Amino acid sequence: EVQLLESGGGLVQPGESLRLSCEASGFTFSSYAMSWVRQAPGKGLEWVSSLTGSGFTTYYADSVKGRFTISRENSKNTVYLQMNSLRAEDTAVYYCAKDPTARGMATTLWDYWGQGTPVTVSS
Amino acid sequence: EIVMTQSPATLSVYPGERATLSCRASQSVGSNLAWYQQKPGQAPRLLMYGASTRATGFPARISGSGSGTEFTLTISSLQSEDLALYFCQQYNNWPPTFGQGTKLEIK
Repeated sequence: EVQLLESGGGLVQPGESLRLSCEASGFTFSSYAMSWVRQAPGKGLEWVSSLTGSGFTTYYADSVKGRFTISRENSKNTVYLQMNSLRAEDTAVYYCAKDPTARGMATTLWDYWGQGTPVTVSS
Repeated sequence: EIVMTQSPATLSVYPGERATLSCRASQSVGSNLAWYQQKPGQAPRLLMYGASTRATGFPARISGSGSGTEFTLTISSLQSEDLALYFCQQYNNWPPTFGQGTKLEIK
């Protein structure tokens, strides 16, 4: 059974940093691209970042480019999102999501999602 | 980026009746269109991909159609378990983008 478990969310002040983690199980982790998608309170979904199975290729939304870094440790079945220079508009539930194709490429279609970790940026 | 527009924002339907949700793309996305179902307090769940292929676990009374810029999600006989938010998403172009969602209510 595929499981994705996010952690690391919390309350931070504007300008601070946070690192989110997503531990995966139930599939061959290194074969799949992984992504982060967020949902602001009462709002829709916004893609944040993706990286390929190898971790060599990364993609970012313009809204987070230069501030967020996605990475993965395939030996630990874990994907990370390092978030720096946080802003109030980054407040959201952050979901980790798995690509459905075992080719390692990022198709930006997601067949499994974690339950999310909330991030609140406020002074 | 491609803008996805969903209508209506809220849809109220009696149990057993048909529900039709629409999604429009600002430019062609071919058939690279997905639908996600999000129940209250839960993560999104992949419902449909390739515009018309149902994901695992969803009944045949839910169907998807369309290509290019116009897409439809149809629930032929609404059940109480269908109460949820429904999002469409294009994965044809970077960045992937979502519609703002349709809230499906049971009358």
